[in-house]
Amino acid sequence: QVQLQESGPGLVKPSETLSLTCDVSGYSISSGYYWGWIRQPPGKGLEWIASIYQSGNTDYNPSLKSRVTISVDTSRDQFSLNLSSVTAADTAIYYCARDFGRRSFDQWGQGTLVTVSS
Amino acid sequence: QSALTQPASVSGSPGQSITISCTGTSSDIGGYNYVSWYQQHPGKAPKLMIYDVSKRPSGVSNRFSGSKSGYTASLTVSGLQADDEADYYCGSHASSSTRVFGTGTKVTVL
Repeated sequence: QVQLQESGPGLVKPSETLSLTCDVSGYSISSGYYWGWIRQPPGKGLEWIASIYQSGNTDYNPSLKSRVTISVDTSRDQFSLNLSSVTAADTAIYYCARDFGRRSFDQWGQGTLVTVSS
Repeated sequence: QSALTQPASVSGSPGQSITISCTGTSSDIGGYNYVSWYQQHPGKAPKLMIYDVSKRPSGVSNRFSGSKSGYTASLTVSGLQADDEADYYCGSHASSSTRVFGTGTKVTVL
């Protein structure tokens, strides 16, 4: 059973960089699949941020691409998200998920709330 | 890249059927047979209910079914139960290898 767990600071200051890591267990990232980040502002809908393949191939949401970096560490079965120059609008629950063939997100982490505030 | 359009709310009585629509464009729903549906209970992570338009993951009740026609996908929940009360989101693969979600629909069981 694949399990995903997000980790990172729950509070980030405006203009700084938000950094999150997703630990994957029960499955080796190097075996395949894309892996992605999705966020959900409080009380609002889902927004896809980015996805990465085990080889390092990346897909980005065009509206966030200039501020986002996604990376993967297959030796640790981890993938990470960096979002730069954050504002209050980036306050959200951030989920990591397995991106099944770029077609659907079939396994999700529990999510982590990140608040952008001074 | 705009969000797919869903009705804000849908309601039904126990035992009834409801259908949630999800409308996109030729760049997403209309261009690919990769529509997915997610159920999200309050305070929980989304759960995949349908993928590839109409396929159900293992363990998902056959009361949930999906379909697509043109630029609009639909999720039907038959035999509505109290636990079906949740938010539902559609998703689609989109052009330039991106992904897009719907605006979300709150389902209320009367």
